[in-house]
Amino acid sequence: GAVVSQHPSWVICKSGTSVKIECRSLDFQATTMFWYRQFPKQSLMLMATSNEGSKATYEQGVEKDKFLINHASLTLSTLTVTSAHPEDSSFYICSAGQGTLEQYFGPGTRLTVT
Amino acid sequence: QQPVQSPQAVILREGEDAVINCSSSKALYSVHWYRQKHGEAPVFLMILLKGGEQKGHEKISASFNEKKQQSSLYLTASQLSYSGTYFCGTETGTYKYIFGTGTRLKVLA
Repeated sequence: GAVVSQHPSWVICKSGTSVKIECRSLDFQATTMFWYRQFPKQSLMLMATSNEGSKATYEQGVEKDKFLINHASLTLSTLTVTSAHPEDSSFYICSAGQGTLEQYFGPGTRLTVT
Repeated sequence: QQPVQSPQAVILREGEDAVINCSSSKALYSVHWYRQKHGEAPVFLMILLKGGEQKGHEKISASFNEKKQQSSLYLTASQLSYSGTYFCGTETGTYKYIFGTGTRLKVLA
């Protein structure tokens, strides 16, 4: 149990376009979902915390207008990278949980902006 | 503040032991340990909640000190499959989840 999926797993897009990444909890309801970004050989950095039905809480330095998060249901959260630029290229990982006792991570989405 | 892990990287031969430390400047509500293979998402190893707690998982165990500011992950008789980057994840009580700086572990045959 406790499976989280992400889609797509890998995406290449042109600079200036927008990309949507989906995160789904497949066999449980996730009251909270977290979005992380990881650059090569670095740790995961929390971007935002998303609670179902409410606005996401963004970490300092993360532009909320650029990284749009929608948590429409207890099993789905989406991250949209708007007007993507090469510096947004990264590994984006979501996790879902029903608290902070344990988080279940999605397989990640590798974004390359050309 | 991001917890600091040490060492940054370590190379072992199969069968050797390793200790990875995770230190925070303030007390933590919990500490989680994860292993991440290249290009994959982190895999949960274990969670510690109480000061002084020790927990084991086959040949991988962890401790959480009494002040809840440091945790150590112990890898005994390492196997090739142990290779990866290990992260501690911590929660500081404000529903914020922060990962440590990471420790890269390579096990050689």
